[in-house]
Amino acid sequence: EVQLVESGGGLVQPGGSLRLSCAASGFTFSSYWMSWVRQAPGKGLEWVANIKQDGSEKYYVDSVKGRFTISRDNAKNSLYLQMNSLRAEDTAVYYCARLSAGYMDVWGKGTTVTVSS
Amino acid sequence: QSALTQPASVSGSPGQSITISCTGTSSDVGSYNLVSWYQQHPGKAPKLMIYEGSKRPSGVSNRFSGSKSGNTASLTISGLQAEDEADYYCCSYAGSSILFGGGTKLTVL
Repeated sequence: EVQLVESGGGLVQPGGSLRLSCAASGFTFSSYWMSWVRQAPGKGLEWVANIKQDGSEKYYVDSVKGRFTISRDNAKNSLYLQMNSLRAEDTAVYYCARLSAGYMDVWGKGTTVTVSS
Repeated sequence: QSALTQPASVSGSPGQSITISCTGTSSDVGSYNLVSWYQQHPGKAPKLMIYEGSKRPSGVSNRFSGSKSGNTASLTISGLQAEDEADYYCCSYAGSSILFGGGTKLTVL
């Protein structure tokens, strides 16, 4: 079964850091671009970042550039999102998604990040 | 990196058809045949319903169809059913980024 499972969410103070993980199974992880997408409480979906199969290309939404870093470990079938200098507006459910030619065909169930003092 | 424009809400009765529009620009929707649509029920992860503008993934009902004209994409749901009540999001590849619409809440009356 093709599956993505996120972990690492939690409560963090403003200015703090958090690292999200996404474990992939059921498909050849190293063959796909991967994405992070977030959804603030009661709001819509927002693309956060993409990473190429070999990690050589990474793209970010403007609001997280310089603060978030997407990475992957193909040997571990894992995707990561290192989040630094967190702000209240980063509070959201973070989804990991498989990217296939511009569309996200497999999604995880999400992990919740709350930034609050 | 502006969001695509969708109506906030649409509604229809069981058996009817509805269409949700998604307006972008010549830099995203108009430039690429890479519009996708996602269905999201409350508390659940999004589910891919349409990709590359008009293609349906395996397992998605043929009641769902997509189209595009210029900078506007559309999702049509025919033969509305109660389980179609959900939020729907359009999405477009835009070169080095991906844009989502603000989402449309579909109410089945």
